[in-house]
Amino acid sequence: SSEMTQDPAVSEALGQTVRITCQGDCLRRYYANWDQQKPGQAPVVVIYDKNNRPSGIPDRFSGSSSGNTASLTFTGAQAEDDADYYCNFRDSSGNHVIFGGGTKLTVL
Amino acid sequence: QITLKESGPTLVKPSQTLTLTCTFSGFSLNNSGVGVGWIRQPPGKALEWLALIYWNDNKRYSPFLRSRLTITKDTSKNQVVLTMTNMDPVDTATYYCAHTTAAYCDGDCFWNWFDPWGQGTLVTVSS
Repeated sequence: SSEMTQDPAVSEALGQTVRITCQGDCLRRYYANWDQQKPGQAPVVVIYDKNNRPSGIPDRFSGSSSGNTASLTFTGAQAEDDADYYCNFRDSSGNHVIFGGGTKLTVL
Repeated sequence: QITLKESGPTLVKPSQTLTLTCTFSGFSLNNSGVGVGWIRQPPGKALEWLALIYWNDNKRYSPFLRSRLTITKDTSKNQVVLTMTNMDPVDTATYYCAHTTAAYCDGDCFWNWFDPWGQGTLVTVSS
């Protein structure tokens, strides 16, 4: 199955640790990537292949995976982390792409 | 530095065919493992993957839109073109292209991730 679930919205206080998750059967087989999108801007990858950060992405961003769930964790969320986050991963064939519905992170 | 830029009409009429061009620099679609994808985002909604093309001309389409999509490449011009037929107002969206790579290919290619993305182009479908 290519169905997946991503919480529509998460909020947390500044400086606290916050986790957003993505669930899907395909995540038992493939790792997730996470893209950040700020209003009016194109997405930017912040985590790829489960837990790899591109250069320039702060180390407070981390990824993990367990069973059918992938997680993106912010250790000490900052105001600039306020954005939409999309998980994405291969479908069961490995050839197609699935995007999650997105999670709006609000840092209070 | 890799950059991509989308171009095409900003307004199309229902039932028309949309043709979008992604012009890129900083990489070549002649190089093994390299690919370009198209993704769209209706206003206020989530991202939706559309199509992929790789250096070896391996192509993949969203199963939901497969019958309406065609992706091609012109390596001499560093361009990838996406066509979508029979446009409808629900196809109004920002259309992005993005650089990608294949983890490996064994007939089919296994997609990695998108990085970087182009700035996107808003296409409105209206009569």
